[in-house]
Amino acid sequence: DTAVSQTPKYLVTQMGNDKSIKCEQNLGHDTMYWYKQDSKKFLKIMFSYNNKELIINETVPNRFSPKSPDKAHLNLHINSLELGDSAVYFCASSPKRTGGNGYTFGSGTRLTVV
Amino acid sequence: QKEVEQNSGPLSVPEGAIASLNCTYSDRGSQSFFWYRQYSGKSPELIMFIYSNGDKEDGRFTAQLNKASQYVSLLIRDSQPSDSATYLCAVPRGSYIPTFGRGTSLIVHP
Repeated sequence: DTAVSQTPKYLVTQMGNDKSIKCEQNLGHDTMYWYKQDSKKFLKIMFSYNNKELIINETVPNRFSPKSPDKAHLNLHINSLELGDSAVYFCASSPKRTGGNGYTFGSGTRLTVV
Repeated sequence: QKEVEQNSGPLSVPEGAIASLNCTYSDRGSQSFFWYRQYSGKSPELIMFIYSNGDKEDGRFTAQLNKASQYVSLLIRDSQPSDSATYLCAVPRGSYIPTFGRGTSLIVHP
């Protein structure tokens, strides 16, 4: 059983399109995250939800909108995609908002905007 | 000053040697510290975490904290070629905002 699963694994789309990435965790964790890893491998936090409540909203364009229907799911919707959005997006979860015993990552979604 | 800093490397060590990786952080109130390993094209994988109350050893890995100087280190004993990867340090700032360093590339050559 995959602990943190995200779909799709690859996403190739044209500029201006709208796309969504889905994430689910079966670890019973309270907190979920979206990270962006750029071409230089820098892993940057974007959003975090704790028990469906948004607790972290870093400096991210408002074209990005997270949604957490329940504490096991966290989706990311991106409007009007731009070339600079190309990156690997990782979903992660942790037992509690302070990280607990660590963050568990999904396998990533490689987004390519052409 | 960046919140979490790591030397990007690459750090090259011979097989069997000790690899020493360092990470400095700016939030003096940080209480927990995480080390992740990331192979190329894969997701980060947790290898060690410590709290501010002490160091930790797990197999070939040891994580050490120097609170006064605000750095945390990861030692890998008896390095193997399979340890070749990027090692990411994470320190939650403001107690809950996970902040990663840019990672150190480690190359273990036979």
